[in-house]
Amino acid sequence: DTAVSQTPKYLVTQMGNDKSIKCEQNLGHDTMYWYKQDSKKFLKIMFSYNNKELIINETVPNRFSPKSPDKAHLNLHINSLELGDSAVYFCASSQGAAVSQETQYFGPGTRLLVL
Amino acid sequence: SQQGEEDPQALSIQEGENATMNCSYKTSINNLQWYRQNSGRGLVHLILIRSNEREKHSGRLRVTLDTSKKSSSLLITASRAADTASYFCATAATDSWGKLQFGAGTQVVVTP
Repeated sequence: DTAVSQTPKYLVTQMGNDKSIKCEQNLGHDTMYWYKQDSKKFLKIMFSYNNKELIINETVPNRFSPKSPDKAHLNLHINSLELGDSAVYFCASSQGAAVSQETQYFGPGTRLLVL
Repeated sequence: SQQGEEDPQALSIQEGENATMNCSYKTSINNLQWYRQNSGRGLVHLILIRSNEREKHSGRLRVTLDTSKKSSSLLITASRAADTASYFCATAATDSWGKLQFGAGTQVVVTP
């Protein structure tokens, strides 16, 4: 059973389109995250939700909007896609609210290519 | 800004050799974590070391932490081809609730 799953695995789209990436965790964790990994493999946190509430919101364009319908799901919607949005997006989860003390479990990533 | 920075950026060794990589960071931390990423996959947690700990072991992995130098090292002993991956350190700063700051990683290649 996959602990943290993401769909789709690959996403190729045109500039200006709107797309969504879905994430689900079956670990019973309270906290979920979205990270962006660029071409140099640098991983940067974008958002974090704890029990469906936003707790971390880094300096991310407002074209990116996370949505957490329940604590097992954290989706990422991206409006008006730009070339610079091309990256690998990772979802992750951890047990509790003291997120810096917790091990994070990562999904397999969604490879987004904007043409 | 990037908190953890790994050194070297890339490391190539033979099976059976030890691999050592280092991580330096800038601010005070609650803990430091090491993750592994196989090509095309997500990150996998290896070890968490707290700021009041100096050394930790897990199987063939040994992590040290020197808070006075703001640095950590990850040692993989008796490396195997399956250890080929990128290794990332991530720091949880004391003044940033919740956030882990990742470095750009060390790419390790272990040849049979």
